Amino acid sequence: DVVMTQTPVSLSVSLGNQASISCRSSQSLLHSDGNTYLSWYLQKPGQSPQLLIYLASNRFSGVSNRFSGSGSGTDFTLKISRVEPEDLGVYYCFQHTHLPLTFGSGTKLEIK
Amino acid sequence: QVTLKESGPGILQPSHTLSLTCSFSGFSLSTYGMGVSWIRQPSGKGLEWLASIWWNGNTYNNPSLKSRLTVSKDTSNNQAFLKVTSVDTADTATYYCAHTPTYYPFAYWGQGTLVTVSS
Repeated sequence: DVVMTQTPVSLSVSLGNQASISCRSSQSLLHSDGNTYLSWYLQKPGQSPQLLIYLASNRFSGVSNRFSGSGSGTDFTLKISRVEPEDLGVYYCFQHTHLPLTFGSGTKLEIK
Repeated sequence: QVTLKESGPGILQPSHTLSLTCSFSGFSLSTYGMGVSWIRQPSGKGLEWLASIWWNGNTYNNPSLKSRLTVSKDTSNNQAFLKVTSVDTADTATYYCAHTPTYYPFAYWGQGTLVTVSS
């Protein structure tokens, strides 16, 4: 199975500052079709997760442009610029290049 | 507007079979590239992908659950189903179904249904 390692486990950021979350996969996520099937999700307290980024760097419909995804191969990053109170929650990376599909263990973002 | 809603028994006994239904609207499971997935989350823990079913009938299960999973669909009634056999306390979790287009998986999620396995 592809292991998705997220760092840090938790992150405390002041409002207006930038947050950065790393996700590393144990195998390359580059598919033979040329796509990299890496997504990012945010689960706010008491809610279902919501899709932020797909194909490593594409923002999903309605997602603020303060969220950006980057990376390739095995190393990926989610950046949140100008952190706002509604950004708090747990962020998960997820790969669907290889079966079984796997999530990272999550990064909890707290607001200072 | 895409919506999904899970329904299930709430509580069931060990060794029994868990049956879950996902009722959805706003998309069709007969559309090319469309799928529905099941994901679960024990309380206070992370997310685990369980299974996906696609527009063409193909299914993929997480082998960590051995052969305990069966996923199916009723395209005419916009429903997907998950069965988990021989449940035990480790299967206690919130179970989600999610809209799964090929390139942006889990684009929309249901509210989740809590399943407790207890004698």
